Amino acid sequence: TQTVSQSDAHVTVFEGDSVELRCNYSYGGSIYLSWYIQHHGRGLQFLLKYYSGNPVVQGVNGFEAEFSKSDSSFHLRKASVHWSDSAVYFCAASPGSALGRLHFGAGTQLIVIP
Amino acid sequence: NAGVIQTPRHKVTGKGQEATLWCEPISGHSAVFWYRQTIVQGLEFLTYFRNQAPIDDSGMPKERFSAQMPNQSHSTLKIQSTQPQDSAVYLCASSPRTGGNYAEQFFGPGTRLTVL
Repeated sequence: TQTVSQSDAHVTVFEGDSVELRCNYSYGGSIYLSWYIQHHGRGLQFLLKYYSGNPVVQGVNGFEAEFSKSDSSFHLRKASVHWSDSAVYFCAASPGSALGRLHFGAGTQLIVIP
Repeated sequence: NAGVIQTPRHKVTGKGQEATLWCEPISGHSAVFWYRQTIVQGLEFLTYFRNQAPIDDSGMPKERFSAQMPNQSHSTLKIQSTQPQDSAVYLCASSPRTGGNYAEQFFGPGTRLTVL
């Protein structure tokens, strides 16, 4: 079974703290991994993606993610969060065998306390 | 660039009625995707088109759902005989295919469908 797992439904931090949102995947073969952010009542916005090369990829607004094949993970990090980072974050996978469709995790709601 | 446009933003139908949802992708993007989002099921893939041709409709409920892309400027998702379980936010996304994949997708604001 091909899955994307986000183990934390909610994460709460204070403004200025660092944060890591976890994502694990279960797929065989090549895979594209990406992160999206969804603010309340809005569509999803792309943050970053990884396929190959440097396992640490940089995204918009200071976000970065690190791919680990051994851990089957693609965790998202930010060194210093702002209250406007409060949103739901989705990890997504696009298997190389079915280019196009995204398989999403359940999402992690990040709450940043000012 | 107005981004992906979806109309209507909200639609309320009675059980058994038809609903048609519209999507205008970003100009120049070669792929259009439809997803459905609910609290219980999360984000589910429905179907996608590449250069207007249907490529993968494996996520579509077969009997009442259909999607078309008659030209490069819009796609429609039609639900016949709507049922309460069809209530969801329907998201359309388009993608320009960068690096040989569509992992970077641009989403519209969604259409919230409520079936009474």
